[in-house]
Amino acid sequence: SQTIHQWPATLVQPVGSPLSLECTVEGTSNPNLYWYRQAAGRGLQLLFYSVGIGQISSEVPQNLSASRPQDRQFILSSKKLLLSDSGFYLCAWSVLPGRYTDTQYFGPGTRLTVL
Amino acid sequence: RKEVEQDPGPFNVPEGATVAFNCTYSNSASQSFFWYRQDCRKEPKLLMSVYSSGNEDGRFTAQLNRASQYISLLIRDSKLSDSATYLCVVKSTGGFKTIFGAGTRLFVKA
Repeated sequence: SQTIHQWPATLVQPVGSPLSLECTVEGTSNPNLYWYRQAAGRGLQLLFYSVGIGQISSEVPQNLSASRPQDRQFILSSKKLLLSDSGFYLCAWSVLPGRYTDTQYFGPGTRLTVL
Repeated sequence: RKEVEQDPGPFNVPEGATVAFNCTYSNSASQSFFWYRQDCRKEPKLLMSVYSSGNEDGRFTAQLNRASQYISLLIRDSKLSDSATYLCVVKSTGGFKTIFGAGTRLFVKA
């Protein structure tokens, strides 16, 4: 069965510090991978998605970036964190899109607080 | 207008009650619809996909109305464990952009 891991689970960082969040998927090959952010009391905002190694699409321009160095590894980074970067960061995976098959499955998330 | 809108609630219902949530979407080209459940401070988990003809999974029934561009979720015989936030999810076939509603909060009380 497929599993998705994210770490760290929680993170407290000062404004202006760098960020690196990692997500890995097991039990599937060539998944679509996604990064979302959920601000307190709000819906999920898609940040990046990737259909393959080195292929990254950005949905929202901001000070974050993403990379996919391996098939089942997805990394979210920032060079300098802002207060507004605080939130719950969720990684998700899905198989090739189809009418009903492109269901996304989420990792446990990283709760980031920027002070 | 938001692409996906949900009543944020909260809905407070007693155990055993039937409760229904609606969700409206603005993109008529949307083709795939889902309901996810999210517990407090946890990741969203798929509850059920929504099919054109409507579908049922135990106590949960999902309906799609393309003409009016809304989907619904009906929960029968509510359990305490049903307390959570329910997220409406909409996407276009073949696309990667998935739109999540902000969620409807449900509290089931003994």
